Amino acid sequence: SQKIEQNSEALNIQEGKTATLTCNYTNYSPAYLQWYRQDPGRGPVFLLLIRENEKEKRKERLKVTFDTTLKQSLFHITASQPADSATYLCAPPRGDSSASKIIFGSGTRLSIRP
Amino acid sequence: ETGVTQSPTHLIKTRGQQVTLRCSSQSGHNTVSWYQQALGQGPQFIFQYYREEENGRGNFPPRFSGLQFPNYSSELNVNALELDDSALYLCASSQTGTTPSGANVLTFGAGSRLTVL
Repeated sequence: SQKIEQNSEALNIQEGKTATLTCNYTNYSPAYLQWYRQDPGRGPVFLLLIRENEKEKRKERLKVTFDTTLKQSLFHITASQPADSATYLCAPPRGDSSASKIIFGSGTRLSIRP
Repeated sequence: ETGVTQSPTHLIKTRGQQVTLRCSSQSGHNTVSWYQQALGQGPQFIFQYYREEENGRGNFPPRFSGLQFPNYSSELNVNALELDDSALYLCASSQTGTTPSGANVLTFGAGSRLTVL
């Protein structure tokens, strides 16, 4: 069955460095993939969407890549700030005929220390 | 443009009881998806409603049911509550196009925190 894997260990990095989060998927090929941010006690917030025919997408300090051969998406935050501390969720659509049901990885908790 | 609102924000029930959670969609959205999120886990897809009908379901038993109303708001009902049902229940609305291949970007509410004792 399809599987989405994110690094379950928290990622701690120094302010100003680039944070890189990984999402691996197996047993299917999603047509697109999204990344969401979730703060404690809040609902996830959409950040970026990348389609299978796009290698890279950028939005301000955020960058997402999508490697359909490796079945992997990388999420980068450059010049990281303490305010970027949150859990980041990888979210492809479910692998059935409709692309509208979104499923989520377990998330990676990112902590940026000053 | 109003966002997604959920009620109640917190509630406590005992095992065997029933609960109804409510969700108002963002203006202009026609689709509602419900998720269950246990502590430290990612959101798990329960089901989706489109045009007032269930449009796909995750691996949840029939005691999880829902409704969508003509104004696109929605309810999640859980019968015969179990201890493991304790979680944050998230509602997300979106605008689903007429083609199934369209991307679906979700707008979430803040969630309803359910504790089952």
